[in-house]
Amino acid sequence: DAGVIQSPRHEVTEMGQEVTLRCKPISGHDYLFWYRQTMMRGLELLIYFNNNVPIDDSGMPEDRFSAKMPNASFSTLKIQPSEPRDSAVYFCASSRDRMSYEQYFGPGTRLTVT
Amino acid sequence: RKEVEQDPGPFNVPEGATVAFNCTYSNSASQSFFWYRQDCRKEPKLLMSVYSSGNEDGRFTAQLNRASQYISLLIRDSKLSDSATYLCVVNCGSSASKIIFGSGTRLSIRP
Repeated sequence: DAGVIQSPRHEVTEMGQEVTLRCKPISGHDYLFWYRQTMMRGLELLIYFNNNVPIDDSGMPEDRFSAKMPNASFSTLKIQPSEPRDSAVYFCASSRDRMSYEQYFGPGTRLTVT
Repeated sequence: RKEVEQDPGPFNVPEGATVAFNCTYSNSASQSFFWYRQDCRKEPKLLMSVYSSGNEDGRFTAQLNRASQYISLLIRDSKLSDSATYLCVVNCGSSASKIIFGSGTRLSIRP
C-alpha cells in the first residue's frame, strides 16, 4: 500500500510568488493534517481535515495560507504571496484512527523562498 | 511551561548501551501518547503508541506515568541505526488539533 504522497519534494521560489503544495493521503484514512517544521519552532500543526472538511485551521499563520481538500484523495496547501519566513519543510500526514490519531507522514516538501 | 517538553540532548551513547529518555506533559486530561522517530531530513515515523499498562516492541519499551505526567522510552542493546531524533507526541484533548509534538530528543549511537 502506498504511503502519503507529497509533491513537489523541493520548491525554490522568489518572494511574492504563489506556491502550491500537494498531498495524497493513504487510501481509507479519514483525517489529513498539514504541518510545518522549522529548526526554531519544531513541528507545528497548520490545519486538519476530517472527511474532506476543514476542522481546525487555527494553526494557519495568516491569510496568505489556504488549504483545500476537494476529495478524499487530494489536498493542497497554498501560500500567496510567499515570503522568506515561509521557508520550512511542509509535511502532510493522514490518520485512520479517530481515537488515537496515529499519523503517517509524507516525505515532506522543502520550501525555500528567496 | 510548554505543553510537551523533552530534553533536546544530544544523547551520545556507545553501541549496545541502554538509553532512556522522558517526556513530560502539562495537561492531565491528555488521552493518547506516542513516540515517533525522525531521521535527518526525513519525515517523522510512528515508532510506537504508549499504553497505560506500558508496552514493549523488541528492544523498545514505552511507559506512561499519569501521576507524574510523563512518558518514557527505553532502548536496549542500542544499534547504530537507532541514531535519530525521537519525538514525543501527546493528544492533549479530544480533538486532533490538540495533538502536540515535542521538540525531540536527539540520539547518537557511536561504534
